Amino acid sequence: ETGVTQSPTHLIKTRGQQVTLRCSSQSGHNTVSWYQQALGQGPQFIFQYYREEENGRGNFPPRFSGLQFPNYSSELNVNALELDDSALYLCASSTRIDGYTFGSGTRLTVV
Amino acid sequence: AQTVTQSQPEMSVQEAETVTLSCTYDTSENNYYLFWYKQPPSRQMILVIRQEAYKQQNATENRFSVNFQKAAKSFSLKISDSQLGDTAMYFCAFMKLGGSGNTPLVFGKGTRLSVIA
Repeated sequence: ETGVTQSPTHLIKTRGQQVTLRCSSQSGHNTVSWYQQALGQGPQFIFQYYREEENGRGNFPPRFSGLQFPNYSSELNVNALELDDSALYLCASSTRIDGYTFGSGTRLTVV
Repeated sequence: AQTVTQSQPEMSVQEAETVTLSCTYDTSENNYYLFWYKQPPSRQMILVIRQEAYKQQNATENRFSVNFQKAAKSFSLKISDSQLGDTAMYFCAFMKLGGSGNTPLVFGKGTRLSVIA
């Protein structure tokens, strides 16, 4: 088991820019989910991928997009960054048996 | 849609004492899981305990136990013999069963627990 690894750990971007966050899933986990956690709040579901296809999406605009690769790693892309996009972005990989394993997140600051 | 409510933004407890964190949820589903996660300053969500809704017996994991009241839609976490390392944000989460893969987690807003020496 290698756990879930996210990169980078911290990131500062300017409003209007684009950002890509990366996540390596735990070995054997075929589902990856992304969550946004604003300061002082609980995580909010962005979207989920199962075997490289999106199979669930939360209430986030289309400028939030993602990919899952054959090795089950994943990317979260955010276009046209807004100040309110500043948050901790958590990735979680899972199976039905194992449940969710979370990474330590990427702290994104938009200025 | 499911909602999860944690009504205690902050709590504190003396080391070695017992504390209970509250959680209520709203759902029309009959088959689901409930979770308590711990988020220390390292930011990683760590699973504390899981409860399957079809099980009447309350889940326990060492010093952590839950009081699951399905009819009341209540799911509280009891931490016994509190330790300094228990200091963290605690999140209650709901997950319905169904489909391929896991369905998304719905989180509450969290309770900040401070254990005082």
